[in-house]
Amino acid sequence: DQQVKQNSPSLSVQEGRISILNCDYTNSMFDYFLWYKKYPAEGPTFLISISSIKDKNEDGRFTVFLNKSAKHLSLHIVPSQPGDSAVYFCAASAGMLTFGGGTRLMVKP
Amino acid sequence: DVKVTQSSRYLVKRTGEKVFLECVQDMDHENMFWYRQDPGLGLRLIYFSYDVKMKEKGDIPEGYSVSREKKERFSLILESASTNQTSMYLCASSAGTYTGELFFGEGSRLTVL
Repeated sequence: DQQVKQNSPSLSVQEGRISILNCDYTNSMFDYFLWYKKYPAEGPTFLISISSIKDKNEDGRFTVFLNKSAKHLSLHIVPSQPGDSAVYFCAASAGMLTFGGGTRLMVKP
Repeated sequence: DVKVTQSSRYLVKRTGEKVFLECVQDMDHENMFWYRQDPGLGLRLIYFSYDVKMKEKGDIPEGYSVSREKKERFSLILESASTNQTSMYLCASSAGTYTGELFFGEGSRLTVL
């Protein structure tokens, strides 16, 4: 049973608009959450993280929101750019990382 | 910058062959990991190591073994490859006791025929 789920396998967005990627988790022991980005033929790279004591963290165009009561995490990308097209993995940590299944984002010019 | 290097980007093996995947990191990280990535399943942890000669099973260790003889090197071994081990294999490393941020290699795409 997957403890971290990304229910949307793919998402298509127009350049300049907002991309919202969602992630749900079931384990209340998770205390740190991360997003990784993966281009084809490359390894995942760290994008942004958030501690469970916060509900929002921003880094440039990327913002991660955490709703602990709903056990829900989201990544907002504003404005979206074609170079953001990649697979995005959310991950949650209770000591070890557990990854979601990934969402493929396509940003159309 | 941290660099994690995986020895083979693409491999094609036959069922029953022994397969070695090697990974080297250059940042003196204590922790090293092997994951496999499959569509819709994300990254699943096979084995990890917190120190030289130390190894711990992850979520899907069956059919795999690992070796860490030196701090910078972590090898994944498939003793007898099977078709269901066709996958993308990703090595990662991290520093200290906190495994939040992992640094990944570029991956090794293994096809077992």
